[in-house]
Amino acid sequence: DQQVKQNSPSLSVQEGRISILNCDYTNSMFDYFLWYKKYPAEGPTFLISISSIKDKNEDGRFTVFLNKSAKHLSLHIVPSQPGDSAVYFCAASALGQGAQKLVFGQGTRLTINP
Amino acid sequence: DTAVSQTPKYLVTQMGNDKSIKCEQNLGHDTMYWYKQDSKKFLKIMFSYNNKELIINETVPNRFSPKSPDKAHLNLHINSLELGDSAVYFCATRPGYTTDTQYFGPGTRLTVL
Repeated sequence: DQQVKQNSPSLSVQEGRISILNCDYTNSMFDYFLWYKKYPAEGPTFLISISSIKDKNEDGRFTVFLNKSAKHLSLHIVPSQPGDSAVYFCAASALGQGAQKLVFGQGTRLTINP
Repeated sequence: DTAVSQTPKYLVTQMGNDKSIKCEQNLGHDTMYWYKQDSKKFLKIMFSYNNKELIINETVPNRFSPKSPDKAHLNLHINSLELGDSAVYFCATRPGYTTDTQYFGPGTRLTVL
């Protein structure tokens, strides 16, 4: 039972354009969401997070949007740069429930073309 | 200075052997985790320790035994290795209870032949 889903295994975007990565979840107890970036042969690196009390969080070129009614979140990267090419993982947690664990999606490979 | 380190980075071994993977963090975080990334690329939690105490065990076979000698270390020992244990194992840490942001080590790629 995959509670966090990233339905696009890959995405290709032109440099300078906007990259939009999507994530859906099924567990209504999730109240904290994160995006991680992963390069080959490295561990996931924390990128940005959002609490369920917000619908948007911005950090530089990265913005995460949360639509609780649709159980959907997205990561926008603008403008996209070649160094953004990586696998992006969405993760969720029931932090308020004291769950203390992250549930990950299967990742989306983003390729930025020059 | 590496915040979360794992040794070894690569491990190739025969079926039936026993092996250990080590994790060390210098972030002073209270909670440490082991995750497994399988061939389908899913990252799934295996164990979590908080101040040397086991708090999460996600129905992992008994052949896997985590050990936390102190707050900065969480090791993973695997007995009687099987082909299906081949995966990348990630250690992660978390600073406290007010956030679930976790910080990952570089991973250990285990290959069982």
